[in-house]
Order: sequence, then C-alpha cells, then structure tokens
Amino acid sequence: AQTVTQSQPEMSVQEAETVTLSCTYDTSESNYYLFWYKQPPSRQMILVIRQEAYKQQNATENRFSVNFQKAAKSFSLKISDSQLGDTAMYFCAFMKAHSGNTPLVFGKGTRLSVIA
Amino acid sequence: DTAVSQTPKYLVTQMGNDKSIKCEQNLGHDTMYWYKQDSKKFLKIMFSYNNKELIINETVPNRFSPKSPDKAHLNLHINSLELGDSAVYFCASSLLEPYNEQFFGPGTRLTVL
Repeated sequence: AQTVTQSQPEMSVQEAETVTLSCTYDTSESNYYLFWYKQPPSRQMILVIRQEAYKQQNATENRFSVNFQKAAKSFSLKISDSQLGDTAMYFCAFMKAHSGNTPLVFGKGTRLSVIA
Repeated sequence: DTAVSQTPKYLVTQMGNDKSIKCEQNLGHDTMYWYKQDSKKFLKIMFSYNNKELIINETVPNRFSPKSPDKAHLNLHINSLELGDSAVYFCASSLLEPYNEQFFGPGTRLTVL
C-alpha cells in the first residue's frame, strides 16, 4: 500500500516571500503521479501542480514549482512570491498510473498561512 | 457550466436518520469517486465506480450505499446516521485512461447531531 507523509502540520510565510512544503511517499510502484492540491476556506479542492514519475524535469506552474526526488521519494512544493490568496490547506497526493480507476492517496495536509 | 456538482452543500440531521447526497458530472467522465474528509482534514477514498459498476469499496460500514444510475451520476445514501459520520464528503470524477486527473465537487458538509 502507498503512504504519503506531510511532516509540517502548519507553516506561515510573509507575503512576497518563498515557502517550501515537504512531502514524502512510500511505494513499490514504478509508474505513478504525484499531485499538490490546495483547499482554501471555501473547501474546494484545487489542483495546483502534478508530476509524472517518469519525467525527470520538475513541474512548474507560474509561482508554483516542485522538487521531485524519485530515489528519495520526496516531492516538495515551492511557492514563490507568496500571496494572501495562497492561504489554504495543501495536500500532497499519490496515484498509481495505468491501473484503472485508481484513487488518490492523500497526506494529512499542511496548513499554510500567508501573513501581510 | 459546473463540472462536478453536489447537492446539498450542507446537511444537518439527527442521529438515526437516513440521508442522501447527490453528485453529477458533466465532463463526460466514466469514473466517479466518493472521498471522506474527517474533522482533522484527512481525505480518504470510500468508493469508486466505473461505468456504473462498483470498483473500489474501502472498509466503509455497509450503512453507506453508493448508487450510480448512469455514468454522470453517483449518489451516496447513508442509513442510520451516527455522530462519527459527521464529515465533508467529496465527489470526484475522471476518465479511466490515459491520464485520470480527478476533478472534485465542492463537497457536502454533513453534521450529525
């Protein structure tokens, strides 16, 4: 079974600064996807960024980028130029690839507060 | 033009009652899911359906019964509600292949008194 660990229950960052959220996972699969989801107070789950395990290049989406270390099974999220609207719960998630309708396995989340 | 919708968004009910949560997706997806988010914000899969057939059923009490009348709908019926059922329930949908990114509904906050 796969597990996802987020070791930082809460973090805070000053507006315009950079913050990194940690995620590690455990799996014996070779093909999989990794995701970061954002859940603001509205509780809507919003996909921030995804990474295919077979790709060595780290994914980037505007101010969001990941540091994917496959051997170390680490998948951290870096948020640059933090904005007040980034305040939310952030969930790291794992999904097996090419296994039918495989569900997402989530970490316990990191609550990020962006301070003005 | 909502992609995945759930009704109701809030549900407050007494212990012992039976309630249903409805989910509809207009994305043309063939796979739908129910996730439960507990009071500590932990999200966990409950059920997965593909083309109206149950594929995944995690260790969920049999008081929970999903029903999929067609590919676009997946409803969740809960019998004999208990205090511990209070949570946020998310519906999601995806395509089976090739890359099954999951799109989430807005969630239903269920409170059992």
